[in-house]
Amino acid sequence: DAGITQSPRHKVTETGTPVTLRCHQTENHRYMYWYRQDPGHGLRLIHYSYGVKDTDKGEVSDGYSVSRSKTEDFLLTLESATSSQTSVYFCAISPRTGIEQGELFFGEGSRLTVL
Amino acid sequence: ILNVEQSPQSLHVQEGDSTNFTCSFPSSNFYALHWYRWETAKSPEALFVMTLNGDEKKKGRISATLNTKEGYSYLYIKGSQPEDSATYLCASQYNNNDMRFGAGTRLTVKP
Repeated sequence: DAGITQSPRHKVTETGTPVTLRCHQTENHRYMYWYRQDPGHGLRLIHYSYGVKDTDKGEVSDGYSVSRSKTEDFLLTLESATSSQTSVYFCAISPRTGIEQGELFFGEGSRLTVL
Repeated sequence: ILNVEQSPQSLHVQEGDSTNFTCSFPSSNFYALHWYRWETAKSPEALFVMTLNGDEKKKGRISATLNTKEGYSYLYIKGSQPEDSATYLCASQYNNNDMRFGAGTRLTVKP
């Protein structure tokens, strides 16, 4: 158990509303990631963090922002949700560095539906 | 473009059959190749990480090989069991934080 919890697990919202997803870890690992998973696509990286207040963009960052004010929490915000952001969002942590940094431990996912 | 392709998309086998699937990735700037197992209603779990050309990894009945020169990896399952039913993801890592996932191969093992 990597000690990762995501909230909410399910959310239905309307186009144009702001949405925040939370990822919480209990192990104080430095690296945290947000991915989205869509049918026919692999997991795609949205943003990642390498420390408190240190974040960077991933492959599909447009329309998303993140914040990390504490080691244990990594927040993903959709400022104005669109239907194309309907997806399952996974948070992941990496307890290792270097080449093994790619060995990720995932949360259980947050299913977001934007109507 | 760092596309990672997996084939087949889905596979149905009988219990006891051995099977294999393929992951293809761009070989330039390669760093590491990861395989994950993803059961329905659960989260992806890491199976293997491989870095060197010719690497082979094994865990029980599951094994994987890596060819970095031609950009492919094979995952093999020997004597498939119903509990092996899952989606198998590969991901090619290009630096510490750049991982590109394939869309996965969904394996169904029929009793």
